[in-house]
Amino acid sequence: QKEVEQNSGPLSVPEGAIASLNCTYSDRGSQSFFWYRQYSGKSPELIMFIYSNGDKEDGRFTAQLNKASQYVSLLIRDSQPSDSATYLCAVQGGKLIFGQGTELSVKP
Amino acid sequence: GAGVSQTPSNKVTEKGKYVELRCDPISGHTALYWYRQSLGQGPEFLIYFQGTGAADDSGLPNDRFFAVRPEGSVSTLKIQRTERGDSAVYLCASSFGGRGYNEQFFGPGTRLTVL
Repeated sequence: QKEVEQNSGPLSVPEGAIASLNCTYSDRGSQSFFWYRQYSGKSPELIMFIYSNGDKEDGRFTAQLNKASQYVSLLIRDSQPSDSATYLCAVQGGKLIFGQGTELSVKP
Repeated sequence: GAGVSQTPSNKVTEKGKYVELRCDPISGHTALYWYRQSLGQGPEFLIYFQGTGAADDSGLPNDRFFAVRPEGSVSTLKIQRTERGDSAVYLCASSFGGRGYNEQFFGPGTRLTVL
């Protein structure tokens, strides 16, 4: 079992829809959870982080964490074509462990 | 302000050769990280420096890989006797502090191709 697993994708949603990205992790001792966005050919950039169970909202983005289920998700509301990218889930206990990423395509 | 810079942006080498990849972190960032990213995969942790010392090198795949940060700023990742499987994008990141939450800012990466 991989330490951090994400939907394989690609995920395609129409413009204006909600995109839902999911991630599970194996280390129950993990403390911090991150979502990075990576455009093709570019480096990852942090868009959200969450430590506590529940939801955290930042603009159109909502991160959700359920430590009991070892599950993290990212919701993108009112998806825009500019949101088209690969979204990486990362989990930190000691070092930062990334999932393989989910490619999101938002169709105009 | 300047972000994390990495040189070269692309490196093509032949199997068996030695390569050095350089990372210049954001000024004032004490923590520096190296990752390797293969196509279709997320970044894979290699090594983490806090200041001049390697605080965690558990991700280095074997003894052909070595990294230094002699003055606590610029870091060099060194790969000896390169193999075709070393081909990947090597990413460097820096953060203000170390463990615990400190946003890691990534450089543009060095694309290494081993022929």
